[in-house]
Amino acid sequence: EVQLVISGGGLVKPGGSLRLSCAASGFSFSSYSMNWVRQAPGKGLEWVSSISSSGTYIYYADSMKGRFTVSRDNARNSLYLQMNSLRAEDTAVYYCASLAFDFWSSGGLDVWGQGTTVTVSS
Amino acid sequence: SYELTQPPSVSVSPGQTARITCSGDALPNQYGYWYQQKPGQAPVLVMYIDNKRPPGIPERFSGSTSGTTVTLTISGVQAEDEADYYCQSADSSGSYLVFGGGTKLTVL
Repeated sequence: EVQLVISGGGLVKPGGSLRLSCAASGFSFSSYSMNWVRQAPGKGLEWVSSISSSGTYIYYADSMKGRFTVSRDNARNSLYLQMNSLRAEDTAVYYCASLAFDFWSSGGLDVWGQGTTVTVSS
Repeated sequence: SYELTQPPSVSVSPGQTARITCSGDALPNQYGYWYQQKPGQAPVLVMYIDNKRPPGIPERFSGSTSGTTVTLTISGVQAEDEADYYCQSADSSGSYLVFGGGTKLTVL
């Protein structure tokens, strides 16, 4: 079964840090670019970051640049999102996903994790 | 930054046709993708590369494109189609991914 399982969400104070992990199974993780997408409460989907299959190329949404770092470990079939200097407006459900859209190839699997909630509050 | 514009809401009666539009300046050069999201669930891809339907998506879902607009059409809408729908694409540089603001489809 193709699956993405996210861990690491929770409550963090403004200015704090949090690291999300996304464990992939059931597909050739190292062959696909990966993405983080978030959704604030009651709001729409917002792209966070994309990383190529090898990890060589990385793109970020403007509001995340300099604060968030995406990485991957293909040997562990895992994707990560290090979030620093967190703000209240970063409060959201965070999804990891292999999207059908791919910056660097003809397309991905379009598989989404279950989402994890990050709450930034004092 | 680049934006995709969708109507906030569309309402149709069961059996009717729903059309959800998505407009963006880069759409003539970038493909459009469509996601369906029901409350408490992760998004589900219903259309890719403008008009390709993934396996398992009913034939009543179709996609089209014209100039700066991509359209998701649901023919013979059913109650189970009530959901939020998001378009997705990239900017003209091909380095920025964007989602539309979402359209809430209500089946009356």
